[in-house]
This record gives sequence, C-alpha cells and structure tokens, in this order.
Amino acid sequence: ETAVFQTPNYHVTQVGNEVSFNCKQTLGHDTMYWYKQDSKKLLKIMFSYNNKQLIVNETVPRRFSPQSSDKAHLNLRIKSVEPEDSAVYLCASSWDWGNYAEQFFGPGTRLTVL
Amino acid sequence: GQQVQQSPTSLVLQEGENAELQCNFSTSLNSMQWFYQRPGGSLISVFYNPSGTKQSGRLTSTTVIKERRSSLHISSSQITDSGTYLCAMTGGNYKPTFGKGTSLVVHP
Repeated sequence: ETAVFQTPNYHVTQVGNEVSFNCKQTLGHDTMYWYKQDSKKLLKIMFSYNNKQLIVNETVPRRFSPQSSDKAHLNLRIKSVEPEDSAVYLCASSWDWGNYAEQFFGPGTRLTVL
Repeated sequence: GQQVQQSPTSLVLQEGENAELQCNFSTSLNSMQWFYQRPGGSLISVFYNPSGTKQSGRLTSTTVIKERRSSLHISSSQITDSGTYLCAMTGGNYKPTFGKGTSLVVHP
C-alpha cells in the first residue's frame, strides 16, 4: 500500500527550465529525504528534513533547493536544469532521524532534460 | 566517509538455486536496510535489520555488527525474484549510504 506519494511520475523539459517535484507522506513520519538515482542505479542522498528542519544538505549544485511546508510534505525545486540532472528522484520518509530510521520510498519522478 | 560495498555485482541463477548477497560497511553501524527494486520501479523494503537474523518466507537477513557485514539469503529462487537488491546503512552520523546493488537474474 503506497504511503509516500510523488508527483509527477515523469517530466521532460528543456535545458534552462525550472521544475518542481512534490512529495507527500501519510505515515506520520518526522523525517523525509530526497535521493537522486543515476543511470547506473546508484542512490545518493541530497537532502533530509526532520520536523521541518534541514538536517542533511549534501554537496549538490545550488540550483537544487528543497522546500518543506510541514512534516508530511517535502518538495524539490530545480532552477535552470542541466542535462546531467536527468535521473530518477526518489522521496522517502522514516519515523525519525537516528534510531528509528527504517525508510519507506515513493515511486519516484523520472526527469529527462533535453 | 562511510562506504558500503555490495557483492556480487551481478548474479545469474537457475530457478530453485539459492543466492547469498553481501553488504560490507566501513564504519560502525546504526541501522541496516535491504531493498528490492525492479527495472523502472521504486524501492521496496525487504528487511530493516540493524542486528541479528530476520526471516520472511524464503528470505533471511543476517547482520553481524562486529564484522561490519550484512547478508541477504534467498532460498529456492524464483523468476519473480529477478531485480536489483540494494543495502543501505547509517553510521554514527545517521546519514544513509547505499551500496551499488546486486543485479539478480533467475532463469527458468
């Protein structure tokens, strides 16, 4: 049963455009994550929020910015996309940051930059 | 920083054979989780297993903290087991790090 929702499923855009991806979880979790999965299937964490506070901010280009309105929502905005941004972006949530860190993933958003 | 090594990179089995997937990590362990992913699909949690042994049907996960390793055993493999298996760990900084995955193909 899906409890982490992502929109859109797919997005195709041109270099230089701005895109936004949405993520919502209905599990009541305190922590949410954004990951990037490249063409080789490697998953790398980009951002994590715990109780609406940014706790992980990996070395990603400045054009990426997370936005959290409440514990259940974590969106990702990319200003001026580049071809190397083509990937699958996965959102996840967990009860907490630390000892209760079992993660549940959404279906992903596949971004193609032409 | 913490590193996670998965082995083998890929595995091809005949239906009915067993599989042993390994995940080795370089730092102390706080949590360990195994995931399954079909091509084009999302990550499905198989086990959350920070220590000890857990079993679910044909799948068994064993995490040995002192030896900095975790394993996923699949017995009597089925065609539907085909896909990529990923392990993810957190260490003292609680930041999740994923391995590169094991690609499993099960033939009839």
